[in-house]
Amino acid sequence: GNSVTQMEGPVTLSEEAFLTINCTYTATGYPSLFWYVQYPGEGLQLLLKATKADDKGSNKGFEATYRKETTSFHLEKGSVQVSDSAVYFCALSDHQGGKLIFGQGTELSVKP
Amino acid sequence: GAGVSQSPRYKVAKRGQDVALRCDPISGHVSLFWYQQALGQGPEFLTYFQNEAQLDKSGLPSDRFFAERPEGSVSTLKIQRTQQEDSAVYLCASSPLGRPTQYFGPGTRLTVL
Repeated sequence: GNSVTQMEGPVTLSEEAFLTINCTYTATGYPSLFWYVQYPGEGLQLLLKATKADDKGSNKGFEATYRKETTSFHLEKGSVQVSDSAVYFCALSDHQGGKLIFGQGTELSVKP
Repeated sequence: GAGVSQSPRYKVAKRGQDVALRCDPISGHVSLFWYQQALGQGPEFLTYFQNEAQLDKSGLPSDRFFAERPEGSVSTLKIQRTQQEDSAVYLCASSPLGRPTQYFGPGTRLTVL
């Protein structure tokens, strides 16, 4: 069945460091891929998405590229801020408007 | 406009009690999803509605879990005879029909003692 695997956390970085959170997936066909973020005490928010191979999603300085050849959708940011501290979830949907399948989440802590 | 709302935000139940969790989706959103998020884990799919029709309930963990959306807007997730393993955050999400992005509510944190 479809699944998502992301790197385990917690990840602790200093402010202005480069961030990579790895995400790989297993799916048949051509899923849509997402990164959701959960800030402390808040609900899940969509961070970015990509709906076809080689698409790059971007938002708030975060980027992820849909790589079908490596079945990956790694999240990157060039310079993290303390306000980026949150839990990040990679997810896929195997068809438009279908249920989401999430990874286990990666907690990011950014220190000043 | 208003986002997805859920109530109550927190619920404490004694083992064996029945609970009902409510979700108000974004107005006009045809699709509605329920997910269960255990502590430290990613959300897991429970069930899906398209308008009032429950099209997928493959994620409901047992027959103690029941969901409905009788008029195609508000949805209720009911858990009968709660058990400790039901303790989790229950998330509701809605989306326009056929669109990939789901919008999540704040969740209901259920604690079963």
